[in-house]
Amino acid sequence: DAGITQSPRHKVTETGTPVTLRCHQTENHRYMYWYRQDPGHGLRLIHYSYGVKDTDKGEVSDGYSVSRSKTEDFLLTLESATSSQTSVYFCASTPRGDSGNTIYFGEGSWLTVV
Amino acid sequence: SQELEQSPQSLIVQEGKNLTINCTSSKTLYGLYWYKQKYGEGLIFLMMLQKGGEEKSHEKITAKLDEKKQQSSLHITASQPSHAGIYLCGADYNQGGKLIFGQGTELSVKP
Repeated sequence: DAGITQSPRHKVTETGTPVTLRCHQTENHRYMYWYRQDPGHGLRLIHYSYGVKDTDKGEVSDGYSVSRSKTEDFLLTLESATSSQTSVYFCASTPRGDSGNTIYFGEGSWLTVV
Repeated sequence: SQELEQSPQSLIVQEGKNLTINCTSSKTLYGLYWYKQKYGEGLIFLMMLQKGGEEKSHEKITAKLDEKKQQSSLHITASQPSHAGIYLCGADYNQGGKLIFGQGTELSVKP
């Protein structure tokens, strides 16, 4: 699998605090994605990036922002965490956005908002 | 997502038995990805299918995409406890690598 690492892997935070999750890839992939996984909903796209400083919203983007200042790093920020954002967050990357490319996922970040 | 339906939601099989998981799309697929997820871990890429009628195999796992490119099946032959986990299908509708996922199939293999 591609070298995708997520940090932190596990975090417990309080409601109202800001949280940043980091995704780091060593494959020089241009496209990167943040998904969240919840029971009954499968994986849903939060935000994605198609290059440095080029990002766009996904299906469930409310309450989240992202930044991509370097090819290898894609940051997901919860400006003010809420209990509904308790979830498992997965980062993914792929070299190009056209069909037929393998899409690799990180190992996930477990976030609990109390 | 209603665009992509995965069945069954859960499956318990005896070790050594064969099994099939299905993934059905409401519209034509540009590609279909299969992943496996072990409890508490990330998604492991299994296979990606693009062409109608395509079939790929890896060890005892075979995935097929139908001719109309709207349905895929994942077949495991002679299941083993190591096959246990959650299997996820992800649909590529040619939207910049963004995938729409089914809800997953939780597979348990009893020794």
